[in-house]
Amino acid sequence: QSVLTQPPSVSGAPGQRVTISCTGSSSNIGTASDVYWYQRLPGAAPKLLISDNNNRPSGVPDRFSGSKSGTSASLAITGLQTEDEADYFCQSYDSTLYGFVFGTGTTVTVL
Amino acid sequence: VQLQESGPGLVKPSQTLSLTCSVSGASISSAGFYWTWIRQHPGKGLEWIGYIYYSGNTYYNPSLKSRVVISLDTSRNQFSLKLNSVTAADTALYYCARARNYVGNLDFWGLGTLVTVSS
Repeated sequence: QSVLTQPPSVSGAPGQRVTISCTGSSSNIGTASDVYWYQRLPGAAPKLLISDNNNRPSGVPDRFSGSKSGTSASLAITGLQTEDEADYFCQSYDSTLYGFVFGTGTTVTVL
Repeated sequence: VQLQESGPGLVKPSQTLSLTCSVSGASISSAGFYWTWIRQHPGKGLEWIGYIYYSGNTYYNPSLKSRVVISLDTSRNQFSLKLNSVTAADTALYYCARARNYVGNLDFWGLGTLVTVSS
């Protein structure tokens, strides 16, 4: 059961900027816990995209950025490219579950 | 680092689902990592099943805790998942992954394996 809420889909033309929201609660994103973002390309294993709210692991293009405020977080993709078509999901830690919680997932479509 | 899930793709109701995650490129005995199982029901979001710390300590999702066991096999550099008394509600895509800390940061994942519970 996903505890974090994301829009099911977002779309944009190549070169545009899109954002994906991730809404949680006071027991997860609203705590000091970091938010992580993952990208799952068709047929591939999920890949860590953003760590610790806004850090990009080595090799992740700088067109991906993350932010967190209150009980929500966002992933922004600027300069959208066709290879960005994928599923994206957020993740945090929940202090009542004592474990990971995930977002419902968002499919990004490049028009 | 690579992770690969393996196990039966079909399990009968009331039986035990058993999956193994083979790890290459890293030792599951290395300090600091949490070896994790996650699943995704068809058309749904991801659900954390549980993880095992390199030391062997385990942490499970309370909703599954009574049915789950995660264990390490350091001799084979593998970790495993056992989920007993399965029902159709356990049909899902099962992933194994490595977490760098207890709050997340899942830096390597397997491709996932689909397990269907059906008679």
